[in-house]
Amino acid sequence: GAVVSQHPSRVICKSGTSVKIECRSLDFQATTMFWYRQFPKKSLMLMATSNEGSKATYEQGVEKDKFLINHASLTLSTLTVTSAHPEDSSFYICSAPRSGRDNEQFFGPGTRLTVL
Amino acid sequence: RKEVEQDPGPFNVPEGATVAFNCTYSNSASQSFFWYRQDCRKEPKLLMSVYSSGNEDGRFTAQLNRASQYISLLIRDSKLSDSATYLCVVNRGRTYKYIFGTGTRLKVLA
Repeated sequence: GAVVSQHPSRVICKSGTSVKIECRSLDFQATTMFWYRQFPKKSLMLMATSNEGSKATYEQGVEKDKFLINHASLTLSTLTVTSAHPEDSSFYICSAPRSGRDNEQFFGPGTRLTVL
Repeated sequence: RKEVEQDPGPFNVPEGATVAFNCTYSNSASQSFFWYRQDCRKEPKLLMSVYSSGNEDGRFTAQLNRASQYISLLIRDSKLSDSATYLCVVNRGRTYKYIFGTGTRLKVLA
């Protein structure tokens, strides 16, 4: 079946560092991918929609200069957390939809970011 | 009011019990509905899609009531391995955007 991968699975970094997270669709093409953030015991919150060949669309309250998204190809989207601070520590998950009856999405395994 | 609302629980039930989760959504234009399961520190995984006609997959039954904007999930004969957080997910129209409920925690006790 369709698979979405994410890399790295875990990052621990110092405050002020920029962190890049990759999301790949492994056996299907995805012109659109989504980035979510999840804090402990909270729901997934959609951050932005990554669009291949055009600018990402950010949800209200999400800083586009803070969370840079690049959808370089039909199988790869990257999220860069710039100048990370401890409050950016979270579980970041990407997803990619597969066209079909239900608009089902497949989620990556997530990246746990800890900013010291 | 949140767009998708769920009782966060936790629901603590004995093995073999039947448990039901409910979810309401506020956007009447929502078109697709799902139940996802999320284990601790893992990504969500699709449990089942929810159709107006209702659908069943083994011990799991999902129902959709568009008039009341209400979705339900019934788990029969609960197993220890059913312990997880169950996420109600609504798709906004044709944009593929998923809106998640806060999730309902289930703990099945031996």
